[in-house]
Amino acid sequence: NAGVMQNPRHLVRRRGQEARLRCSPMKGHSHVYWYRQLPEEGLKFMVYLQKENIIDESGMPKERFSAEFPKEGPSILRIQQVVRGDSAAYFCASSPSEYEQYFGPGTRLTVT
Amino acid sequence: QKEVEQDPGPLSVPEGAIVSLNCTYSNSAFQYFMWYRQYSRKGPELLMYTYSSGNKEDGRFTAQVDKSSKYISLFIRDSQPSDSATYLCAMTLNGNQFYFGTGTSLTVIP
Repeated sequence: NAGVMQNPRHLVRRRGQEARLRCSPMKGHSHVYWYRQLPEEGLKFMVYLQKENIIDESGMPKERFSAEFPKEGPSILRIQQVVRGDSAAYFCASSPSEYEQYFGPGTRLTVT
Repeated sequence: QKEVEQDPGPLSVPEGAIVSLNCTYSNSAFQYFMWYRQYSRKGPELLMYTYSSGNKEDGRFTAQVDKSSKYISLFIRDSQPSDSATYLCAMTLNGNQFYFGTGTSLTVIP
């Protein structure tokens, strides 16, 4: 059973461009969470999705950030008009229930 | 006040030692508690997962939850150099939002 997959692993964007981060959950997992991790800081919750539904997006900035988990295909975290402060490692986790989370390897976003 | 507090360390122990890692939290409503291990530039790996108060053992790892003190612990017995990593505690009320500690960096010296 393949683990959680994220791509790309590294992404470089110039200020003002869009960043799209993809997450394919483990087989059979219908819950997806996105987190941001900055150096010397813990993982910060951003959004929790189930298939075709956003369950909790209270950790995600209201502007420029959006997330989806369509019926088919990976979950997408989209950051529009990126700024330097968006540079971070973004992790997704999938879960078969609401309590166990299995993390992907992360996408490291660098905004130049 | 942060939801979850965790001493960042670093913690350095000799091989074979017993390691104790701890977190405190402020929200008494948290029900589910987890410990993750994260190697440098990798995703966190779930180690232990417990519900409410009590102990849970898995091999060399023991997780303890004391809800009355809002304190959780992870013990590692017979520590190995391969245990060198950052350990993150996490908790949730209902599985919607998870709150993570900042992590404790552990080095086990051969």
